[in-house]
Amino acid sequence: GDSVTQMEGPVTLSEEAFLTINCTYTATGYPSLFWYVQYPGEGLQLLLKATKADDKGSNKGFEATYRKETTSFHLEKGSVQVSDSAVYFCALTPSSYKLIFGSGTRLLVRP
Amino acid sequence: EAGVVQSPRYKIIEKKQPVAFWCNPISGHNTLYWYLQNLGQGPELLIRYENEEAVDDSQLPKDRFSAERLKGVDSTLKIQPAELGDSAVYLCASSFRPPPGETQYFGPGTRLLVL
Repeated sequence: GDSVTQMEGPVTLSEEAFLTINCTYTATGYPSLFWYVQYPGEGLQLLLKATKADDKGSNKGFEATYRKETTSFHLEKGSVQVSDSAVYFCALTPSSYKLIFGSGTRLLVRP
Repeated sequence: EAGVVQSPRYKIIEKKQPVAFWCNPISGHNTLYWYLQNLGQGPELLIRYENEEAVDDSQLPKDRFSAERLKGVDSTLKIQPAELGDSAVYLCASSFRPPPGETQYFGPGTRLLVL
């Protein structure tokens, strides 16, 4: 069935380091792909999305490119800040119209 | 613009008791979702509404869970009776149109603890 696999956390980085959080998926057809972020004590917020192959989603310095050939949607940021500390969820909507989430990756950025 | 509102934010009950969660979606959003999020996991869809109609409730445990969305706006999710394994965060989300590709906006969630 349709699924999302994320790298396990926690990911611990120093401020201004480069971030990559890996996400791969299994789905039939052409799903839309999303990254959501959950800050401590808050609800899920959409970070970025891509709806077709080779699209790049970007927001707040984060980027992810829809790679159909490798079924991946890795999240990257060139220079992380302490305020980026949160849990990041990769998700997809396949042909079933259901938003399917990965298990989340916790990011901790140290000053 | 107000976001998705949920109440209560926290609820502690004893097993076998009933509990209800309330959600007010973003104004104008016709699609409403209830998700279950267990600790350390991603959310899982329980039910999706298009206006008043439940169009996907395949993951809702119907023996103890029920939901309604009267008048196509607010929604209530109920558990009766609650079990220890129901302890989790219950998230409500809404979108202007149905998926796929449509952004879902999430509320802060209701954290349920069943003792």
